[in-house]
Amino acid sequence: QVQLVQSGAEVKKPGASVKVSCKASGYTFTNYYLHWVRQAPGQGLEWMGLINSNTGDTKFAQKFQGWVTMTRDTSISTAYMELSRLTSDDTAMYYCAKSLGDYASGRVHYFDYWGQGTLVTVSS
Amino acid sequence: QSALTQPPSASGSPGQSVTISCTGTSSDVGGYNYVSWYQQHPGKAPKLMIYEVSKRPSGVPDRFSGSKSGNSASLTVSGLQAEDEADYYCSSYAGSHNWVFGGGTRLTVL
Repeated sequence: QVQLVQSGAEVKKPGASVKVSCKASGYTFTNYYLHWVRQAPGQGLEWMGLINSNTGDTKFAQKFQGWVTMTRDTSISTAYMELSRLTSDDTAMYYCAKSLGDYASGRVHYFDYWGQGTLVTVSS
Repeated sequence: QSALTQPPSASGSPGQSVTISCTGTSSDVGGYNYVSWYQQHPGKAPKLMIYEVSKRPSGVPDRFSGSKSGNSASLTVSGLQAEDEADYYCSSYAGSHNWVFGGGTRLTVL
């Protein structure tokens, strides 16, 4: 069965960086996009960006360009999201999510499996 | 990219139907048939309920249906059940490898 297992909760000081991992299993990792979505406490979902798990190409929401990095290690079917220059506004649950369809399908626009979330707390 | 507009709350009694709206622009909802809906229970990850405006993934009850007209999409939950109480989010492709979510609607089953 498809699973996305994320790394554990993090507490960071303002100005620091955080790197969250997302280990995939149960499907061919390189055939699907992995998206990253965050949710501040009590707030809605915010799409951050995606990585083509095959080529490593990335696309980011304009808001995150320049301060988020997304990478992957195909040998261990794991994707990473690193956010730098953290502020208290970055306190949120961070999710990875797999695209419903593979690159050849028309169903790349939907997120069918989600990780359990990684809580990142930014506090001095 | 601005978030899609959803009502903050909706409610209905068991067995009733409720419809949640999601309003965007011609650059997202109106420009593509790539609208999806997600259900999120407290403390849980979102779950895909509807994709491509009106299609249901395997395992999602047919009580859930979706539609779209112009720049707005809707999710209808028929035959409300207690377990439908959750937050619901719409999402749309917005072009140039960008996606946008709605602000979310808390559905209460009275």
